[in-house]
Amino acid sequence: DADVTQTPRNRITKTGKRIMLECSQTKGHDRMYWYRQDPGLGLRLIYYSFDVKDINKGEISDGYSVSRQAQAKFSLSLESAIPNQTALYFCATSDGTSGTITDTQYFGPGTRLTVL
Amino acid sequence: DQQVKQNSPSLSVQEGRISILNCDYTNSMFDYFLWYKKYPAEGPTFLISISSIKDKNEDGRFTVFLNKSAKHLSLHIVPSQPGDSAVYFCAAIHIQGAQKLVFGQGTRLTINP
Repeated sequence: DADVTQTPRNRITKTGKRIMLECSQTKGHDRMYWYRQDPGLGLRLIYYSFDVKDINKGEISDGYSVSRQAQAKFSLSLESAIPNQTALYFCATSDGTSGTITDTQYFGPGTRLTVL
Repeated sequence: DQQVKQNSPSLSVQEGRISILNCDYTNSMFDYFLWYKKYPAEGPTFLISISSIKDKNEDGRFTVFLNKSAKHLSLHIVPSQPGDSAVYFCAAIHIQGAQKLVFGQGTRLTINP
């Protein structure tokens, strides 16, 4: 079984709709992240969480919100989807407990979101 | 402001030859660098990393070189194999600072038989 899972894997929605992307992990990591990938732009950080009570904005958080329901679950919401949020979304986890934080991240398989 | 740049969107190399992927960064506070590899329909996977206190790190066929004065790092793959065909992302982090990875745009490597 995959250590980091994302649901759904593909989603097509319409402008103005609310949508939630979910991420679950079995690695026991405290840190979780949401990225989006766009052609020519690489991966950009949307939100991150270093533990259940910690939520931080990344570089492109506008239009998104997150919820860390448990150590293993981190969901990303688009309250009112718009076409320029069409992208590939990745969830990732990392272990920040070692004291030597190198932040090697483990990624889920991605969710391809299309907003029409 | 793109702090980590991979200026070659694609690279084609013959099987058995050396592949060299390049990455430049602008933030001198970055102190740890990583390379990730991504196959289609999969998430990126960690490949190799290097601390800013080193100038070289080797792991099998993969070697990463860091030139701090030039703010440049490169990934060497030798010999290149067909399974190396993927998109490679360079990433950097300031460990004592924000502790967030900053990724480059990616380079698509194609290994030709």
